[in-house]
Amino acid sequence: GAVVSQHPSWVICKSGTSVKIECRSLDFQATTMFWYRQFPKQSLMLMATSNEGSKATYEQGVEKDKFLINHASLTLSTLTVTSAHPEDSSFYICSAPRQGSGGELFFGEGSRLTVL
Amino acid sequence: GENVEQHPSTLSVQEGDSAVIKCTYSDSASNYFPWYKQELGKGPQLIIDIRSNVGEKKDQRIAVTLNKTAKHFSLHITETQPEDSAVYFCAASKGDTGFQKLVFGTGTRLLVSP
Repeated sequence: GAVVSQHPSWVICKSGTSVKIECRSLDFQATTMFWYRQFPKQSLMLMATSNEGSKATYEQGVEKDKFLINHASLTLSTLTVTSAHPEDSSFYICSAPRQGSGGELFFGEGSRLTVL
Repeated sequence: GENVEQHPSTLSVQEGDSAVIKCTYSDSASNYFPWYKQELGKGPQLIIDIRSNVGEKKDQRIAVTLNKTAKHFSLHITETQPEDSAVYFCAASKGDTGFQKLVFGTGTRLLVSP
């Protein structure tokens, strides 16, 4: 079964609104989680590294005020797309490494955001 | 930083044939090379991985080879089946165990025809 769960799996919102996406590790604790963005027929681009109890580390070119990341517990990281615009429409995916699995990354099922 | 290139972008084979996808990486310090399968509308799933201290790894119909000198690694799928149809991504990282900041290849869309 899934070890990393994302919610919602899809969301449609109006321009200017904010949308929160949750990423949960179901049966393990994750001090680190990763957030990716994927455009249609393209690869996964790392947006940021979410760190439990501290600030997220953003990749170059990713606006931290636009994509707010909160890793408040060892099993939950959230990505909030603030003041969303149509160009923010994308597939957002999170992942987390599980200790003892040889460093294997477990990915969530993804969240498809459509901004009208 | 690390750059991962992947070829081909699309691959069509007949059921039962073999499929090979190749990737090259730029950072000689990379030491972990996973392969993911992504079905439409879903997140990637790990199918096999290899570390830099190993040259080849096999799991049933799937195998991965690594050439550290040339900095390339390949995915081999034998006896392909229609359910193998998906997008496959290679990736590379130099993180320690438990911390894998992956750089992904551009993906290969594999179509297996019955």
